[in-house]
Amino acid sequence: AQTVTQSQPEMSVQEAETVTLSCTYDTSESDYYLFWYKQPPSRQMILVIRQEAYKQQNATENRFSVNFQKAAKSFSLKISDSQLGDAAMYFCAYRSRETSGSRLTFGEGTQLTVNP
Amino acid sequence: DAMVIQNPRYQVTQFGKPVTLSCSQTLNHNVMYWYQQKSSQAPKLLFHYYDKDFNNEADTPDNFQSRRPNTSFCFLDIRSPGLGDAAMYLCATSREGRKYSYEQYFGPGTRLTVT
Repeated sequence: AQTVTQSQPEMSVQEAETVTLSCTYDTSESDYYLFWYKQPPSRQMILVIRQEAYKQQNATENRFSVNFQKAAKSFSLKISDSQLGDAAMYFCAYRSRETSGSRLTFGEGTQLTVNP
Repeated sequence: DAMVIQNPRYQVTQFGKPVTLSCSQTLNHNVMYWYQQKSSQAPKLLFHYYDKDFNNEADTPDNFQSRRPNTSFCFLDIRSPGLGDAAMYLCATSREGRKYSYEQYFGPGTRLTVT
């Protein structure tokens, strides 16, 4: 079974600064997806960024980028130029590509605070 | 805009009184999921429908049931809610298939209170 670990329960960053959220995972599969989801206080879960395991290039979405290290099974999220609206719970998630309709395995989450 | 809609957003029920939560989607996704999320925890998958096929998680209590009458709608039935069932219930959808990227799109959730 796959597991996802987020070792930082809480993080804080100053507005306009850069912060990196850590995520490691364990799997025996070679083909899978990794996601970062954001859940603001309003509680709607929003997809931030997606990485396909067979792609070596790190995914980037505007101020959000990942550092995907497949051999190390690491998938960190970097938020550049942090904004107050980035404050949220961030979940790292794993999804197998080898089985259809399979579950998302979530990490425990990292609560990000952005200080003005 | 295509979206996942959950009704109601807030639901209060009495201990033991059946309750139904609803989810609809305009994304035409073939997979629909129900998650339970308690405060400051990750969502916990209860079950999902792949098209019409129901897939129950092994540790989902029998108290929880689901129905998917058509592609667009999915319901979560809690037959006899207990105090421990108070939580946020999230519906999500995804499009499965070789050409698709499998990300799940979440609704805003229904917060269930059991009195």
